[in-house]
Amino acid sequence: GESVGLHLPTLSVQEGDNSIINCAYSNSASDYFIWYKQESGKGPQFIIDIRSNMDKRQGQRVTVLLNKTVKHLSLQIAATQPGDSAVYFCAENTGGFKTIFGAGTRLFVKA
Amino acid sequence: GAVVSQHPSRVICKSGTSVKIECRSLDFQATTMFWYRQFPKQSLMLMATSNEGSKATYEQGVEKDKFLINHASLTLSTLTVTSAHPEDSSFYICSARDPQGAVDTIYFGEGSWLTVV
Repeated sequence: GESVGLHLPTLSVQEGDNSIINCAYSNSASDYFIWYKQESGKGPQFIIDIRSNMDKRQGQRVTVLLNKTVKHLSLQIAATQPGDSAVYFCAENTGGFKTIFGAGTRLFVKA
Repeated sequence: GAVVSQHPSRVICKSGTSVKIECRSLDFQATTMFWYRQFPKQSLMLMATSNEGSKATYEQGVEKDKFLINHASLTLSTLTVTSAHPEDSSFYICSARDPQGAVDTIYFGEGSWLTVV
């Protein structure tokens, strides 16, 4: 099956600080990108998405930035809370509704 | 509430037996569903695309005879792991596309833990 990487880098932040999680995607033809949050033992939970004709999109406490030139995606979480601790995956969709997940980043929030 | 349900959430089976995992869309009809496998501390790997009324499309390296997918109705896709072995132990997750929603409306199930002993 397809995958992007087999590692889980870790990001540790202090409660209240902002978090930035980065992701490099592989397919320049991808036109839709999604960030998911996955808690232990559960399925992925949608956080925010962005289309390739945009470079920034904001949600509640979260912002996604897209740089198509270098195929880079980032998720910014403002005022990180303990409940934000989870694994975060970026995912790309190349059409046909097939969603390919990136390697994931584990976020630890220290109280 | 959940719009995609998986059953069972956990299953233990003996090596050599087959086990079936169900994925149901609860509030919509899903013409397309997807099956993923996730090993501990790894990402979700797409296994196959399940199309209602037709054969599933498998990703490279996924054995179609080992992972049987049936999408017999617009609300149900099943994944059967045949002749399961301990290395098949994993977290299996399905997702379903809502065709009435935006093109990018994909919902994920809560996953099914398979342990082969």
